[in-house]
Amino acid sequence: KAGVTQTPRYLIKTRGQQVTLSCSPISGHRSVSWYQQTPGQGLQFLFEYFSETQRNKGNFPGRFSGRQFSNSRSEMNVSTLELGDSALYLCASSPDRAVQYFGPGTRLTVT
Amino acid sequence: GNSVTQMEGPVTLSEEAFLTINCTYTATGYPSLFWYVQYPGEGLQLLLKATKADDKGSNKGFEATYRKETTSFHLEKGSVQVSDSAVYFCALDTDKLIFGTGTRLQVFP
Repeated sequence: KAGVTQTPRYLIKTRGQQVTLSCSPISGHRSVSWYQQTPGQGLQFLFEYFSETQRNKGNFPGRFSGRQFSNSRSEMNVSTLELGDSALYLCASSPDRAVQYFGPGTRLTVT
Repeated sequence: GNSVTQMEGPVTLSEEAFLTINCTYTATGYPSLFWYVQYPGEGLQLLLKATKADDKGSNKGFEATYRKETTSFHLEKGSVQVSDSAVYFCALDTDKLIFGTGTRLQVFP
């Protein structure tokens, strides 16, 4: 089975812009979660989607949003980018939340 | 709230040395516990897991035992290799994964 794929792998944006990241889960997995990884804050949970519904949400501002499509693919969007949004964004998929399988991440740099 | 505390790194070892990375947790209920590993430039890979007290997770020579009485899930390996150099994350899962800060392991030949 193919693993979790994330696109793009690298992205450079300017403050104030918005960005959309994409995640394709492992085939058959219905749960997709997103995490932000930074040197200062470590790994932080953003949100989880299951069958197109947001099931859980972390403590991030409303500029961070996501959605899941009927094929389980997920996107996350960050509007009005700030320098502090520079991070590695990781997506993980799971068949039942027992174990999460991570993608390689999207490295976002905000200048 | 739920949290995970890991020992600070980096941990520097010679090849074939014994490894211990400490992890303790605070949680309500009975969370599942995990160790994930992150190699440079990559995402996280599940290393091992345990879902209930006294369970031992093991994989690739790494082991960790779910100790409810000490709320710990320490990672051990009897003989490390250079290829084990990576960042190791302890995590617990209640309704979401909560990670420790990560411990960098550097193994030298």
